[in-house]
Amino acid sequence: DAKTTQPNSMESNEEEPVHLPCNHSTISGTDYIHWYRQLPSQGPEYVIHGLTSNVNNRMASLAIAEDRKSSTLILHRATLRDAAVYYCILMRGGSNYKLTFGKGTLLTVNP
Amino acid sequence: GAVVSQHPSWVICKSGTSVKIECRSLDFQATTMFWYRQFPKQSLMLMATSNEGSKATYEQGVEKDKFLINHASLTLSTLTVTSAHPEDSSFYICSATTSGLFTGELFFGEGSRLTVL
Repeated sequence: DAKTTQPNSMESNEEEPVHLPCNHSTISGTDYIHWYRQLPSQGPEYVIHGLTSNVNNRMASLAIAEDRKSSTLILHRATLRDAAVYYCILMRGGSNYKLTFGKGTLLTVNP
Repeated sequence: GAVVSQHPSWVICKSGTSVKIECRSLDFQATTMFWYRQFPKQSLMLMATSNEGSKATYEQGVEKDKFLINHASLTLSTLTVTSAHPEDSSFYICSATTSGLFTGELFFGEGSRLTVL
């Protein structure tokens, strides 16, 4: 499975935008880029996913590099409730939907 | 959105006993369910994949006789930790999806925290 690389931790201030990077240089053409987040003592929560084009939803935006070797999760206005571990995961299209979690990025949001 | 529920949320048991954790999809039929384990300050580790009506597929290094998984219906999968020991203490999380309406989103339960004394 193609791997992803994320910073161990990031810090932001409340109500400011946050850009969470992810490198996936060995991504294949059929790999979807998924983002999940996990709040303390809870199961992961879906954030967003994409294949080639940038994506927007009510939670976040996903910016995908043209060569698809990296992507950035954008939280437009961070809130204290966004403090979590964010996981960038590749899922192969047509697979059995198995997610392999890396270490993720621990996002701290300062009031 | 779709909801996956786990029960119990937390359980404490004595060493040597067996513990069953349930994972239910509340408003959709889960053709595939996944079981993960997470130790403190670590990431989720996939233990097994279960498809309704068939035997679970275990990841390398996971003992199938110790972690019994049953997916007898489209809305329920169970994980039984047999003869639990303190090293089995962990946060167990299930996720579920349905092949018919996959939208790219997997749904996770709230997790079950097991403490073995």
